[in-house]
Amino acid sequence: KQEVTQIPAALSVPEGENLVLNCSFTDSAIYNLQWFRQDPGKGLTSLLLIQSSQREQTSGRLNASLDKSSGRSTLYIAASQPGDSATYLCAVSLYSGGGADGLTFGKGTHLIIQP
Amino acid sequence: GAVVSQHPSRVICKSGTSVKIECRSLDFQATTMFWYRQFPKQSLMLMATSNEGSKATYEQGVEKDKFLINHASLTLSTLTVTSAHPEDSSFYICSARWGLEPQHFGDGTRLSIL
Repeated sequence: KQEVTQIPAALSVPEGENLVLNCSFTDSAIYNLQWFRQDPGKGLTSLLLIQSSQREQTSGRLNASLDKSSGRSTLYIAASQPGDSATYLCAVSLYSGGGADGLTFGKGTHLIIQP
Repeated sequence: GAVVSQHPSRVICKSGTSVKIECRSLDFQATTMFWYRQFPKQSLMLMATSNEGSKATYEQGVEKDKFLINHASLTLSTLTVTSAHPEDSSFYICSARWGLEPQHFGDGTRLSIL
C-alpha cells in the first residue's frame, strides 16, 4: 500500500527566505506526483505536476523535483511571501490498467510566512 | 482551465439524515470522478472511484451501502451519505478528470452531523 510522508509537518519562517518541503513515498511505481496548496477550509489548488518520466517542474517561484527511484520529491519555494502561507500537500498516483489511480496524499506541511 | 463545482459547500444536519453532495465538471467531460474525505489533522483519503455509467469502486474500509455514488453523466457525480452520524462529519472533496489528464478538484463540502 502506497504511503506518503511529508516533512516537516509545520514550518514558520520570516518573509523572503527560500524553503524546501520534502515528500517521500513508499512505492516508486508511480504514474505522477503532484503538489497542491490548501488554504484553511478550502479546496485544493494544483501547483505542479511531475510525470513519472520527468525530473522536475517549475512555475514562477516554485520548483518541484522528483527522484522516483528513491521515492522522494522536494518543493522549493523561492523568496517566500506571506501569501504563501497555507498547507502544502504532496500526492502520488499509481498506474492501473484503466489509467491513473486516485491520489494518495501526505498529511501536508503547514507553512506560515511571517511578514 | 478546467473547473469543477461542488455543492453544497457546507452542511449541518441532524443525525440520521441523508445528505447528497454534487460534483459537476463545468467545462469538460469527466470520464472518471473521485471522492475523498479528510478528517481533522489527517490527510485526504480516497473513498471511491467512479467511471461514467459504471458502478463505483470503493476503497477498503469504505461502506458502499452508506456512501452511495452515482455517476450517471459525463458532467455529474453525486455522493449520498445515508443515515449520517456524527462520526461521518468530515470534509468531503471530489475531483474529476478526462482520460489520463490530471484531476481537477472541487472546493469541498464541510459536513457536520449533530
